Amino acid sequence: SQQGEEDPQALSIQEGENATMNCSYKTSINNLQWYRQNSGRGLVHLILIRSNEREKHSGRLRVTLDTSKKSSSLLITASRAADTASYFCATDPFPGANSKLTFGKGITLSVRP
Amino acid sequence: ETGVTQSPTHLIKTRGQQVTLRCSSQSGHNTVSWYQQALGQGPQFIFQYYREEENGRGNFPPRFSGLQFPNYSSELNVNALELDDSALYLCASSEDRAYNSPLHFGNGTRLTVT
Repeated sequence: SQQGEEDPQALSIQEGENATMNCSYKTSINNLQWYRQNSGRGLVHLILIRSNEREKHSGRLRVTLDTSKKSSSLLITASRAADTASYFCATDPFPGANSKLTFGKGITLSVRP
Repeated sequence: ETGVTQSPTHLIKTRGQQVTLRCSSQSGHNTVSWYQQALGQGPQFIFQYYREEENGRGNFPPRFSGLQFPNYSSELNVNALELDDSALYLCASSEDRAYNSPLHFGNGTRLTVT
């Protein structure tokens, strides 16, 4: 079963614009993570936010977490063509799951040059 | 630092056959997890190994089995292959079962069952 649900399913933007992706989940979590996947290859970890954190930044990435609404958002600022990929949110359930992640179906982001 | 490597990259099998997929974890990581990713879907957790013991299993039948070796490399075995087993199989390693530890993925094995 897939706990996380990303929204939208697909997003197409112009290079330089910001991209906002949303994720909702159902159960309590230790943390929520975002991953990127290029063309069916392995996933690359982008950012992890713990359940007691509300906002986190990493370079052009900003992630927020609202545990009361069981939702998260990922913002990519000043997008580049190289950001074109599928993006997944994944939850590490509480208690004691220890990195047995539950992934959503993903968001396909296309950045037009 | 050596990343996660998986072999083979592609594999074609016939329904009913058995397959073994291999994974070498990132150096310093003693926890390995396996995921199945069907086309157009997110990865689904199969099982996790920590220090050679299974440490949790997802909703997969017993014909999916695994091993972890003393050097922390791992194998995924699937018996009696079915058409629905066609997918990208991803191996990921992480540090010491720690909370809040991100996964480091290999590039996967693309399995096609005909």
